[in-house]
Amino acid sequence: DIQMTQSPSSLSASVGDRVTITCQASQDISNYLNWYQQKPGKAPKLLIYDASTLETGVPSRFSGSGSGTDFTFTISSLQPEDIATYYCQQCDNFPLTFGGGTKVEIK
Amino acid sequence: QVQLVQSGTEVKKPGASVKVSCKASGYTFTSYSMHWVRQAPGQRLEWMGWINTANGNTKYSQKFQGRVTITMDTSASTAYMEMSSLRSDDTAVYYCAKDVQYQLDYWGRGTLVTVSS
Repeated sequence: DIQMTQSPSSLSASVGDRVTITCQASQDISNYLNWYQQKPGKAPKLLIYDASTLETGVPSRFSGSGSGTDFTFTISSLQPEDIATYYCQQCDNFPLTFGGGTKVEIK
Repeated sequence: QVQLVQSGTEVKKPGASVKVSCKASGYTFTSYSMHWVRQAPGQRLEWMGWINTANGNTKYSQKFQGRVTITMDTSASTAYMEMSSLRSDDTAVYYCAKDVQYQLDYWGRGTLVTVSS
C-alpha cells in the first residue's frame, strides 16, 4: 500500500496568514493526489484534484502543487471558515490511501 | 443536485453484522462508481472498497477482504455496504462517496456504527 505522510498534524495561524501543508507519498504517484476539507461532524469535501486543479466552486485562496512524491497544499489568506482538518489522498493505486490529516485552527 | 442519503445510526454487538445503505439521486447512478470510506474516532479516513455501478464489479481493501461486501440495487439507485463479524474497533462513521476518476467528489453524511457489548 502507498503510505501518505502529512505534516504538520496541526497548526494554528491568524486570519489572513498563509498556511502550507505538505504531503509525501511513499512512492511516485505522478499527480494522482487529491485534497479534502473536513469540518467537525461533517463529511469530507473535495477541494483539489490531480494535485493542482481546483474543484468547481472552491475559493481561489486554496491551491495545490507537486508531483511524484512531494505535494503542497496552500491557503493563501486564512479565513475563519477554513477551520477544518485537511487530508491528502492518493488515487494512483488501490487501495486508495489518505494522509493522517492536518487540523487547522485560528490563533 | 447530487445527493447521497445514508441509512441511520446502528448499534451492534460484537460478532454481529451491519448493512449500511446509500441512496443516490441527482445523477445517473450507473455512470459513476461508489466508494465506501470509514473514519474511526480521531482517526484518518480509511478506504474500504468500491463498486463499479455499471457492471457490479467490486474491489476491496485487503484489510476488509472477506468481511465486507459491497452490493447495489440499480433500480433503487442504492449502494450497500455490509460488514460481518463486527469488533469494537469497527466503531466508526461509514461514508459512501461518488467516484469521478478516483476522486471522491460527493459524500454521504455518514452512518455511525457503534459496536459494543
